[in-house]
Amino acid sequence: AQSVTQLDSQVPVFEEAPVELRCNYSSSVSVYLFWYVQYPNQGLQLLLKYLSGSTLVKGINGFEAEFNKSQTSFHLRKPSVHISDTAEYFCAVTLTQGAQKLVFGQGTRLTINP
Amino acid sequence: DAGVTQSPTHLIKTRGQQVTLRCSPKSGHDTVSWYQQALGQGPQFIFQYYEEEERQRGNFPDRFSGHQFPNYSSELNVNALLLGDSALYLCASSLGIQQETQYFGPGTRLLVL
Repeated sequence: AQSVTQLDSQVPVFEEAPVELRCNYSSSVSVYLFWYVQYPNQGLQLLLKYLSGSTLVKGINGFEAEFNKSQTSFHLRKPSVHISDTAEYFCAVTLTQGAQKLVFGQGTRLTINP
Repeated sequence: DAGVTQSPTHLIKTRGQQVTLRCSPKSGHDTVSWYQQALGQGPQFIFQYYEEEERQRGNFPDRFSGHQFPNYSSELNVNALLLGDSALYLCASSLGIQQETQYFGPGTRLLVL
C-alpha cells in the first residue's frame, strides 16, 4: 500500500519570502506524484505532477517540485510567495500500473503574512 | 471547456437519512472517482467508475454506493447517514481508467445533524 506524509501541518511565511512544503511517500512499486492546491471553500486544483523524465517539474503559479527517488520525497517550492498563495496544499501519489486512485497526505496549510 | 461539476453545493441531512450527490465529468472524460474529505484531512478514495462499473473501491462501508450513467455522469449514494459522514465530497474525472491525472470538481459539502 502507498502512503504519503506531509511533514508540516502549517507553514507561516512572510510575503515575497521563499517557501518549501515537504512531502515524503512510501511505496513498494513505482508511483506518479502530484501536488494539488485547495483554496478556501473550493475543490482541488492540480499544481504540478511528476510522471517520468526530469526530476524537477514546474507547475502553475510559479511553483516547482523535485522528485528524489532515493529519499522518496517530492518537496514543493516557490522562490517568492504572494498573499494569494494562502491555501491548503496536498501531496498525492498514484500507482503507475492498474486502476488509478490517488492517495493523499494530510495537507499543509500555507499562510502568507504581509 | 466545461470542467467537473457537482451538485448540490451544500446539503444538510439528519442521521439515518439517505443522500444522493451528483457529478458531471470534464468534457471528454469517461472515468469518475469519488473522494471524501473530512474537516482538516486529506481526501480519502471512496470508489471509481468506468464503463458504468465500479472498478476500484476504498475502505468504505456498503452504505456508500454509486452509479455511472451512459453519458459518464455519476452519482454517489449514502444510506443510513451517520454524524461522521459530514464531509466535503469530491468528484474527480479522468480520460480512461489508466489516465494518471484526475481533475476535481468544487465538491459537495454534506452536514449530518
